[in-house]
Amino acid sequence: GQNIDQPTEMTATEGAIVQINCTYQTSGFNGLFWYQQHAGEAPTFLSYNVLDGLEEKGRFSSFLSRSKGYSYLLLKELQMKDSASYLCAVSHGAGTALIFGKGTTLSVSS
Amino acid sequence: EAQVTQNPRYLITVTGKKLTVTCSQNMNHEYMSWYRQDPGLGLRQIYYSMNVEVTDKGDVPEGYKVSRKEKRNFPLILESPSPNQTSLYFCASSETAANYGYTFGSGTRLTVV
Repeated sequence: GQNIDQPTEMTATEGAIVQINCTYQTSGFNGLFWYQQHAGEAPTFLSYNVLDGLEEKGRFSSFLSRSKGYSYLLLKELQMKDSASYLCAVSHGAGTALIFGKGTTLSVSS
Repeated sequence: EAQVTQNPRYLITVTGKKLTVTCSQNMNHEYMSWYRQDPGLGLRQIYYSMNVEVTDKGDVPEGYKVSRKEKRNFPLILESPSPNQTSLYFCASSETAANYGYTFGSGTRLTVV
């Protein structure tokens, strides 16, 4: 079956670095996405990985290991506004069909 | 502005009364999809469409219908809503290439009593 696992909750302090892990088992793989979702709002696209390695985008970086079925999202210099849910999603089949993990709720405190 | 527009944002209805949630995108995207989001369950795909007149079931299609008569519109129809369809619904669209992320609508919070 299809399965994406990520921690339910994480906490961190302003200015710190946090790593959110995601492991996946899917029938196919066309790439892995990370989305940010603030409470009551729509998810917004953060990053995309299709090849192994690290993709850096400002304070956010995302890593992929296809052989291990593993990814992480790294958030640096945390700010209060980074408090949100972070969704890991895998494109696994026809077209751009995405299967989502249940999300990791990150709470950043001062 | 490139966007996905969903209406309504909030809806309270009674069991069995047919309703439609509209979704429209102005980016000429071929791929559109509907998701529902429930606490502890995350985003689950209801239906998707890869182009006009091409639709297919996602993971939780029971109780829902969709149509794709035009490229820009992808309405979600609940013929006979039930309380277990109370949820937050998102419409999304994307380019067909896998490396483009979804653009999501603002969401529709539906309550069926």
